[in-house]
Amino acid sequence: DAKTTQPTSMDCAEGRAANLPCNHSTISGNEYVYWYRQIHSQGPQYIIHGLKNNETNEMASLIITEDRKSSTLILPHATLRDTAVYYCIVRTPNGQNFVFGPGTRLSVLP
Amino acid sequence: DVKVTQSSRYLVKRTGEKVFLECVQDMDHENMFWYRQDPGLGLRLIYFSYDVKMKEKGDIPEGYSVSREKKERFSLILESASTNQTSMYLCASSYYGRGYGYTFGSGTRLTVV
Repeated sequence: DAKTTQPTSMDCAEGRAANLPCNHSTISGNEYVYWYRQIHSQGPQYIIHGLKNNETNEMASLIITEDRKSSTLILPHATLRDTAVYYCIVRTPNGQNFVFGPGTRLSVLP
Repeated sequence: DVKVTQSSRYLVKRTGEKVFLECVQDMDHENMFWYRQDPGLGLRLIYFSYDVKMKEKGDIPEGYSVSREKKERFSLILESASTNQTSMYLCASSYYGRGYGYTFGSGTRLTVV
């Protein structure tokens, strides 16, 4: 299974963009990159996913490098409610199961 | 709003009890999953199911079993609860296929005393 590497923690000022990096250098050509977040004491929440192209939705933008070995999740205007653990996940080859690593703990500071 | 509902938010059970954790989804998803989450260990997959009456072991199935008699319901069973099964249990569901993400429930915090 392709694995991901994320920083353990990051801080971001409220109202500023939060850029969360993820390395997935062993990703296979047909594997997707997914991002989830988990706010304290809640279940993980889907944010966005992509294969090759950059993606944007109402929550965030996903930038995937051309070689697909890394990606960045961008929260354009972080709020205090965005404080959470963010997980970058690459889908396993059998296409069924996710493997959650430790993620990045993002703290949005007032 | 589509959702995954777990029957209990908090549960306290005694060692040796048989425990049922229920999960229901209203999205007609084929796949359903049970995870547990512990500090420092992240989310670990216990069991999953691709279809009614089908089940597959995840990474840590020991001490657990599952039941999927209907498409919308996936039950996790602790045959004889032990203190090391004290944890947050999370249910998730998804459509079949590689491009789809998971929808998670809010979790059940189980304490075995």
